[in-house]
Amino acid sequence: DAMVIQNPRYQVTQFGKPVTLSCSQTLNHNVMYWYQQKSSQAPKLLFHYYDKDFNNEADTPDNFQSRRPNSSFCFLDIRSPGLGDAAMYLCATRTGDITDTQYFGPGTRLTVL
Amino acid sequence: GQNIDQPTEMTATEGAIVQINCTYQTSGFNGLFWYQQHAGEAPTFLSYNVLDGLEEKGRFSSFLSRSKGYSYLLLKELQMKDSASYLCASMDSNYQLIWGAGTKLIIKP
Repeated sequence: DAMVIQNPRYQVTQFGKPVTLSCSQTLNHNVMYWYQQKSSQAPKLLFHYYDKDFNNEADTPDNFQSRRPNSSFCFLDIRSPGLGDAAMYLCATRTGDITDTQYFGPGTRLTVL
Repeated sequence: GQNIDQPTEMTATEGAIVQINCTYQTSGFNGLFWYQQHAGEAPTFLSYNVLDGLEEKGRFSSFLSRSKGYSYLLLKELQMKDSASYLCASMDSNYQLIWGAGTKLIIKP
């Protein structure tokens, strides 16, 4: 089945130790998003790609970076995780039709010790 | 500024009907989405409204009034599995989703 896959589902890292979260899709969608969601809060958009065009939200911390090496994969790099970065990280994709829904992966829950 | 308001929590009884309201203020408007999110899981799409009126999809219906900046999600014949958070999201003029914090729906037997 076509889908959005995120690995790992649960990630534990040490304070300040770099971590990379991955997302892949078999939907052949143009747009890929990374969101951060903390408990009982709205998803917060960090970045999105339209094909290779990268869009960084103005309030995304410099500590967060992203790569999209090809149309199927997208990575979220957290260079120096702080305790406040513990959250669920959601990857989503969408077709080029702006009114199409976003399809979400299962998320990666990041714990920072 | 851009803002989405929805109640934090609601409680309803199995078999009953519940209406979850959402008001939005966004720069531009390109449609209103509702998503369901079970605890610890990703959001899943429920509905999309861009024209005024009611869209019915099985037990779930969604309503939009653009002039009032208002939408609601109506859930009928509630089942225990409907216990989840329901997120309202408005698509702004840049075609980005502006998300509400979600309404936690608790279903009691």
